[in-house]
Amino acid sequence: GAGVSQSPRYKVAKRGQDVALRCDPISGHVSLFWYQQALGQGPEFLTYFQNEAQLDKSGLPSDRFFAERPEGSVSTLKIQRTQQEDSAVYLCASSWQGISPLHFGNGTRLTVT
Amino acid sequence: AQTVTQSQPEMSVQEAETVTLSCTYDTSESDYYLFWYKQPPSRQMILVIRQEAYKQQNATENRFSVNFQKAAKSFSLKISDSQLGDAAMYFCAYRSAANFGNEKLTFGTGTRLTIIP
Repeated sequence: GAGVSQSPRYKVAKRGQDVALRCDPISGHVSLFWYQQALGQGPEFLTYFQNEAQLDKSGLPSDRFFAERPEGSVSTLKIQRTQQEDSAVYLCASSWQGISPLHFGNGTRLTVT
Repeated sequence: AQTVTQSQPEMSVQEAETVTLSCTYDTSESDYYLFWYKQPPSRQMILVIRQEAYKQQNATENRFSVNFQKAAKSFSLKISDSQLGDAAMYFCAYRSAANFGNEKLTFGTGTRLTIIP
């Protein structure tokens, strides 16, 4: 596609529910990142993939957060047993690699009620 | 760990005027990259300008330029001839040059820029 695509654009979950957020990166991009952006804050790094390998998951806030990119293209961020503090915009970004620019998607706004 | 600080939560400027957004950062590294991103209500982060720390010359992109002071760890963004379309959140971001392939960014808390017609 022309850009990074994320779905759904909005997600409302009841506390305790599991959610799955999808990211379609630009075709051929090697690097893929997930960021969490709380209201009024800057994005914070969650995890990084190089192709299908998850090389850095140091930003995942708890073991309820899980990300995968099984075929090195589409990625899914899964949050189990959602809590209110998980409410945020989740941004996905991709790039060729190295110092090439990051391309961001429009994010998924998750609201946990 | 690196930190990025944006001390101006909100700024406003008259259309066609010039505005400067401030950013400071803390790092012990000598080689790194600095960025300014724009985030309109669509939420998509759009790269405005980028600076390599090893370059002394300040980066410029059309109406956008930076004042990079490495010793002071300061990286401000100047927007000239402000336009209504410049209204957005602006984020300063840092990226280490040490981790090849892992281009994770550390962002500041952002500055909301309002353009007054």
